[in-house]
Amino acid sequence: GAGVSQTPSNKVTEKGKYVELRCDPISGHTALYWYRQSLGQGPEFLIYFQGTGAADDSGLPNDRFFAVRPEGSVSTLKIQRTERGDSAVYLCASSLSSANTEAFFGQGTRLTVV
Amino acid sequence: SQELEQSPQSLIVQEGKNLTINCTSSKTLYGLYWYKQKYGEGLIFLMMLQKGGEEKSHEKITAKLDEKKQQSSLHITASQPSHAGIYLCGADEEGGGSNYKLTFGKGTLLTVNP
Repeated sequence: GAGVSQTPSNKVTEKGKYVELRCDPISGHTALYWYRQSLGQGPEFLIYFQGTGAADDSGLPNDRFFAVRPEGSVSTLKIQRTERGDSAVYLCASSLSSANTEAFFGQGTRLTVV
Repeated sequence: SQELEQSPQSLIVQEGKNLTINCTSSKTLYGLYWYKQKYGEGLIFLMMLQKGGEEKSHEKITAKLDEKKQQSSLHITASQPSHAGIYLCGADEEGGGSNYKLTFGKGTLLTVNP
């Protein structure tokens, strides 16, 4: 596709359930990022991939959050035992590299934990 | 970590008016990014500034980074309804020109009345 694609666009889940959020970056982009945006706030960094490896996962809030990018393209953000506080828009972005290049964002997945 | 203050939090202007949004940091800004976000959509990259005193323009939007590299402003000339949205400034935390770990302000909500 032409841009970064995130699926689903909306996800409602019950507290305690497991969810997976998918990100398809722009073809050829080696760098991929996940951010989380709560209502009325700016995005907060979660994790950064360079290729297949997580180069920096310092933004993941706790061990319930995990992300993979097994083939260096599609990435999945996984949240176990979801809590109401996990409700937010999860944004994915990709760029050609991580230095001085524009990052292109997807439209986000709006996660609601009820 | 870096904190970014954006002002004003929200702004309502008449079409055709000029406006300025400010972004102030508690630390030196090594890389300052401006993004625009519409509800339900991802972030759209506007401009990146790195050098003290740098100024960039695109169409009717001009962004500046002050000499001390602690404040940036975004100026829109002759605003149009298409300029409406949330404007976010983001700063490079690492200081190496990388764009993967940005700290964002809370955003400025711009409404342009026809």
